[in-house]
Amino acid sequence: SQQGEEDPQALSIQEGENATMNCSYKTSINNLQWYRQNSGRGLVHLILIRSNEREKHSGRLRVTLDTSKKSSSLLITASRAADTASYFCATDPFKLIFGTGTRLQVFP
Amino acid sequence: NAGVTQTPKFQVLKTGQSMTLQCAQDMNHNSMYWYRQDPGMGLRLIYYSASEGTTDKGEVPNGYNVSRLNKREFSLRLESAAPSQTSVYFCASRPNYQETQYFGPGTRLLVL
Repeated sequence: SQQGEEDPQALSIQEGENATMNCSYKTSINNLQWYRQNSGRGLVHLILIRSNEREKHSGRLRVTLDTSKKSSSLLITASRAADTASYFCATDPFKLIFGTGTRLQVFP
Repeated sequence: NAGVTQTPKFQVLKTGQSMTLQCAQDMNHNSMYWYRQDPGMGLRLIYYSASEGTTDKGEVPNGYNVSRLNKREFSLRLESAAPSQTSVYFCASRPNYQETQYFGPGTRLLVL
């Protein structure tokens, strides 16, 4: 069974808007990672947040983690058409357990 | 530095046929992984290898075997392919000093 569940399953926005996607997980974690997958490609690591961190930034990405609620969110600010992809959260560094993903479509 | 490479990119098999998916990494990573991704799903771990000479089952190992041939290469074998194994297969590697995994481009497998 998958550890993470992303919400929403799909999201469509216009360029320049912000995109927020959420991830809920089931068990205690050491860290949580977010990956991006462009259509038909392998996954690319975006950002990692450790269990003792509440918020982390990387460029246009902002990740939050609430361990009491077992949830994380990924915010992409000022989205671009190139951000169109599926986004997955994953936990457990040794055997990554992925959620089902959020499909983000950014329209020019 | 090619990263993680996978061959073939695409394969069609008939039910009962066997094949081996190849994966190689040139980043000197210790851990390697095989995942499958079905339509609309996240990745599910099939097998992983924490170091050369060791392999362990993941979430969905049935119907598969693996070989960690050396530090660079980790192959996935389907002995008798079934339509349920139609999927996209991804290989990944990870260095000991980092939690991030690095993924290959995937192999699309269709079993008829």
